[in-house]
Amino acid sequence: EAQVTQNPRYLITVTGKKLTVTCSQNMNHEYMSWYRQDPGLGLRQIYYSMNVEVTDKGDVPEGYKVSRKEKRNFPLILESPSPNQTSLYFCASTKPGGANTEAFFGQGTRLTVV
Amino acid sequence: RKEVEQDPGPFNVPEGATVAFNCTYSNSASQSFFWYRQDCRKEPKLLMSVYSSGNEDGRFTAQLNRASQYISLLIRDSKLSDSATYLCVVSLSAGGGNKLTFGTGTQLKVEL
Repeated sequence: EAQVTQNPRYLITVTGKKLTVTCSQNMNHEYMSWYRQDPGLGLRQIYYSMNVEVTDKGDVPEGYKVSRKEKRNFPLILESPSPNQTSLYFCASTKPGGANTEAFFGQGTRLTVV
Repeated sequence: RKEVEQDPGPFNVPEGATVAFNCTYSNSASQSFFWYRQDCRKEPKLLMSVYSSGNEDGRFTAQLNRASQYISLLIRDSKLSDSATYLCVVSLSAGGGNKLTFGTGTQLKVEL
């Protein structure tokens, strides 16, 4: 079954404590992204990766890092989380194809930073 | 101005009603267009692509007007199970990939 797996699903942490949210896809897609979703702001892209070892900033990259050492994995790293990073995070793996482009999302990670 | 704008709703409609959602986008270079559905803060899922000629999938009809930079989604004979948030999405080729930009979503509640 084609899927994107994120872990953890829920996380409460304290300000400044480094954390990593993992993301893995089994569809052999090259393009992967991280988004955060906040009320009234919709989904905003944090970082994306076009292939192994190729990553770039999205619209809201401040406070985040990513890596892409293998095609299937694209972890999101918060080196020093702050309360304004409390949000719902989604990893996505995108099948290319112009009008047939489709993004497959993980189930989301609800992060609370206190 | 937001890149993709939608009326947030909520749209409260009775079962069986026809409901239409609209969306506008600001970047005329946008190449592909989609509607995604998101249930109760779960992950978004592709509902349908939107083509210039208009396209239909069962009770759902999508239209695109490139000149007006306007996208629409029509749902006929609404079901309770259609209750969700509908996200308008545009795609732009960027750096070798397709960047998807999401609207904030329109919430639909179908009631008995």
